[in-house]
Amino acid sequence: AQSVTQLDSQVPVFEEAPVELRCNYSSSVSVYLFWYVQYPNQGLQLLLKYLSGSTLVKGINGFEAEFNKSQTSFHLRKPSVHISDTAEYFCAVSDLYGGATNKLIFGTGTLLAVQP
Amino acid sequence: EAQVTQNPRYLITVTGKKLTVTCSQNMNHEYMSWYRQDPGLGLRQIYYSMNVEVTDKGDVPEGYKVSRKEKRNFPLILESPSPNQTSLYFCASSRDRGVNGYTFGSGTRLTVV
Repeated sequence: AQSVTQLDSQVPVFEEAPVELRCNYSSSVSVYLFWYVQYPNQGLQLLLKYLSGSTLVKGINGFEAEFNKSQTSFHLRKPSVHISDTAEYFCAVSDLYGGATNKLIFGTGTLLAVQP
Repeated sequence: EAQVTQNPRYLITVTGKKLTVTCSQNMNHEYMSWYRQDPGLGLRQIYYSMNVEVTDKGDVPEGYKVSRKEKRNFPLILESPSPNQTSLYFCASSRDRGVNGYTFGSGTRLTVV
């Protein structure tokens, strides 16, 4: 069964520093990959997605992620974070041939805590 | 504004008292899904629907029911809630089986005492 691992439950970082949030998935078959962001007391918002093509994907708010098939990873990066980036970030994977709904399998989330 | 609307946002109820959490989307999406979010477990799918009158179980369907009588609405029903259903619930919809991502509601925080 498909699974997603986000090893870091919390990542503290100072404002304007770079950050990387790690995500690894288990499947060896073709997949769709997503990062969602959840701000406090809000629902999840799509940050970026990888479906095919270029392995470097750019999303909203200056975030980007790189798909690495050999390492089955999809790490999220931002060169300079802001206080407003404080949120929980979820990596999710969907099998390319996942059937009727391309069900999303979510990781357990990483809380990005940006400090002044 | 394109959105998924859930109600209520917060609910405290007692064990065994039937409740319904409503979900409505205004994007004419065919695909809708319910997730629950628990600390350390991420989001887990409860039920999903591919279209009107077409629903199926997700990973954690026990204790829940759904219906899809209209395209825009996808209510989640707890016939006899128990404390282990205390959780944060999200409804989500997609126009293309989730290929381009889902639109999520703001969530319903349910406490069963």
